[in-house]
Amino acid sequence: SQKIEQNSEALNIQEGKTATLTCNYTNYSPAYLQWYRQDPGRGPVFLLLIRENEKEKRKERLKVTFDTTLKQSLFHITASQPADSATYLCALDIDSNAGNMLTFGGGTRLMVKP
Amino acid sequence: DAGVIQSPRHEVTEMGQEVTLRCKPISGHDYLFWYRQTMMRGLELLIYFNNNVPIDDSGMPEDRFSAKMPNASFSTLKIQPSEPRDSAVYFCASSLVSGFSQPQHFGDGTRLSIL
Repeated sequence: SQKIEQNSEALNIQEGKTATLTCNYTNYSPAYLQWYRQDPGRGPVFLLLIRENEKEKRKERLKVTFDTTLKQSLFHITASQPADSATYLCALDIDSNAGNMLTFGGGTRLMVKP
Repeated sequence: DAGVIQSPRHEVTEMGQEVTLRCKPISGHDYLFWYRQTMMRGLELLIYFNNNVPIDDSGMPEDRFSAKMPNASFSTLKIQPSEPRDSAVYFCASSLVSGFSQPQHFGDGTRLSIL
């Protein structure tokens, strides 16, 4: 069966450290992968997109890698801040013919402690 | 610019009642998506539209669920009759169609509780 796995356990880190979140998938060959942030009581908010031919993408303190051989994406937040505390979701296009349809992982909750 | 607008934000109703959730996508967006989010199953796609036409409704749980998009600025998701297991947060999202891999823009959801 097709799966997108994110660590369901919360990730607790100290302010200033780098947070690394993992997204693993099986039985897909996605053309791209997206990361979203979700705060309690709010809808997911788009952060970054990385395509299959890109190894790495950066945006300010955020970095995403995409390894199509390992079927894995890593999401890094450097110099983390308490305001980065949220749930982070990865999403893949599982059908390139299905026009922008995404399948989401279960999300990982990040807690940054001051 | 206004984002995706959903109403109501909260809905509490008794089992068996009809529930209608509403969504106004971002102007100019061609795709509209309805999702359901629960702790057990995460964020699941129910149905999506392209230019007001339903494209894939394979995620709709059963015939009690129906969705319409009568025009480019409005969509509804209806549950009739509602059951306690329908309790969840329902999100609407929209995106552009110009090429694939467009980000989806989400509303803040409707928290639905069926008693």
